[in-house]
Order: sequence, then C-alpha cells, then structure tokens
Amino acid sequence: QKEVEQDPGPLSVPEGAIVSLNCTYSNSAFQYFMWYRQYSRKGPELLMYTYSSGNKEDGRFTAQVDKSSKYISLFIRDSQPSDSATYLCAMVIYGGSQGNLIFGKGTKLSVKP
Amino acid sequence: DAGVTQSPTHLIKTRGQQVTLRCSPKSGHDTVSWYQQALGQGPQFIFQYYEEEERQRGNFPDRFSGHQFPNYSSELNVNALLLGDSALYLCASSPSGQGDYGYTFGSGTRLTVV
Repeated sequence: QKEVEQDPGPLSVPEGAIVSLNCTYSNSAFQYFMWYRQYSRKGPELLMYTYSSGNKEDGRFTAQVDKSSKYISLFIRDSQPSDSATYLCAMVIYGGSQGNLIFGKGTKLSVKP
Repeated sequence: DAGVTQSPTHLIKTRGQQVTLRCSPKSGHDTVSWYQQALGQGPQFIFQYYEEEERQRGNFPDRFSGHQFPNYSSELNVNALLLGDSALYLCASSPSGQGDYGYTFGSGTRLTVV
C-alpha cells in the first residue's frame, strides 16, 4: 500500500463546476498537508498548506483535512479553463524545512469552456 | 524576485553516461531539495542539502549524488545513467527553520536517457 493514494483521473468538468479532488494516506504521523498545481512542462506551484484538521479557504479554493479518516480534499469553486492542470497532494511529518514531501500521483483536471 | 532557476531545461544522454543538473534557489532560501518525477507520477524525494551537507536522503542509489555551494546553489549528479533515469528532475528551495512550508519548485530539467 502506497503512503499516499490519489486518483489520477483524468477529470473533465464544464466551466463553473465545483471540483473535488481527494487523497488518502496511511501514515498517521503526517502533520502538514499541501496541494500543488502543476501545469504542463512546469514545476509544482503551492496552492494550499494546512496543518490541523478542518477547512482552510483561499479565494475559490478550500482545503479540507480529516486526520481521523486520513483523508484530505481540495475543492475548487467556479472552475475556470485556466484551472486545467495536474493537482498533486503532498504531506510531510515535520514542519519547517526538515521533512521530505510525500506526493500523490496527481489528478489531471480539464475544465471545458 | 527570481524564483528557483534550473539548468539545463532539457537534456538527452546516452545510457552509461554521467549528467550534472544545476539549481539556484529562490532569494532568501538556504535549503535545497531534489525530486525525480517520472511521467504520470508524483515527485519522489531524492535528497536535501542544508549548510552544504546532505541532510536527508530518499530511496535512491549512490549513483545519485549532490553538492551545495556556499551561495546555496546546488548540483545533482547522476552516474552510469539507466533508461529508467529518464524523468523530470525538480529542485525545490525553502527557508530553514519552522513556519509556513515555503517549498518553491523550479520548472525542472527534463532528462531523456537513450
């Protein structure tokens, strides 16, 4: 069993839809959770960073963490064609710069105009 | 403010050869990590450098080595290249210490081994 599981998709939605992206994990020691967006031929770009269970909102993006279920989600409201990218969840045990990120496989999202 | 800069952008090497990839971290960042991203996969941690020393290492063979210079820039060296080493190699920099997780990634070097 991989430490982080993420459905690779692809996921295709119409413009304006609400998108839900999810990851599950097996290591209960993970404390910090991130979502990265990666456009084709580019490096990952940090979208959201959360520490505790609960919700964190930033504009059209909401990150949700449920440590009891070992489940994290990213919701995108009013999706736009510019949101078309691969979304990677990542998690780490230690804070600061001491930990190595464990990534999911990524979910490829396509938002159709 | 320049982000993380990686060079070269693309590289084609022959099996058995050696390659060196370079990374300049974001201004103000002193920690550099290297990741390998195979096609259709998430990035996998290779190693991390801080204060010119390897601080952590992932599950990669000794053919993968690195270096960090006093100006915090870093190199990744891969010896005896295998076809399976073909991937996007990502450099991520971050500030040391606690706080917000400031990992900033470069655009990567795409290595093709033929």
